[in-house]
Amino acid sequence: EVQLVESGGALVKPGGSLRLSCAASGFTFTNHWMHWVRQAPGKGLVWVSRIDSGGTSTSYAGSVKGRFTISRDNAKNTLYLQMNSLRAEDTAVYYCARDVGPGGAYYFDYWGQGALVTVSS
Amino acid sequence: DIVMTQSPDSLAVSLGERATINCKSSQSILHSSNNENYLAWYQQKPGQPPKLLISWASTRESGVPDRFSGSGSETDFTLTISSLQAEDVAVYYCQQYYSAPNFGPGTKVDI
Repeated sequence: EVQLVESGGALVKPGGSLRLSCAASGFTFTNHWMHWVRQAPGKGLVWVSRIDSGGTSTSYAGSVKGRFTISRDNAKNTLYLQMNSLRAEDTAVYYCARDVGPGGAYYFDYWGQGALVTVSS
Repeated sequence: DIVMTQSPDSLAVSLGERATINCKSSQSILHSSNNENYLAWYQQKPGQPPKLLISWASTRESGVPDRFSGSGSETDFTLTISSLQAEDVAVYYCQQYYSAPNFGPGTKVDI
């Protein structure tokens, strides 16, 4: 059974940093690109970032570029999102999501339960 | 960027009746190389992550009931629930993956 379990969500002050983790199991992690998608309270879904299977190629939404860094540890089957210079508008539930294809199809067949990040003083 | 819009924002449908959700993209998401529309539909129930229902505009995912169907091409797409069940109460999102992924704002379906 495919499982994605996020951790690391917390309350952080504006300007602060946080690292989210997503532990993957039940599938061959190295066969899939991975993504982060966020959802502000009561709002819609917004794609944040993606990383290829080998961890060598990444891309970001404009709103987080230069502040967030996606990475993965294939030996640990874990995806990460390092978030720096956090702003109030980054407050959201952050989901890790599996890309359907090995080459990056950019849509998502499995999602974690999400990690809540609250940015507030 | 490709902008996705959905209509209506919300709708209430009687049990057993049809629900129709529309999704429009700001430019065509039909790829000429494979004649495929790069559109997915997701269902999100309260307190849960989204669930993939349909990809390539009309391909139902394994395990998704056949009362869910997707149609459309280029810029105009539709998700139809042919006979609404109580468990279908949710917010439905379309998403294009022709370029950097973008979701529509969602349509809330109630009974």
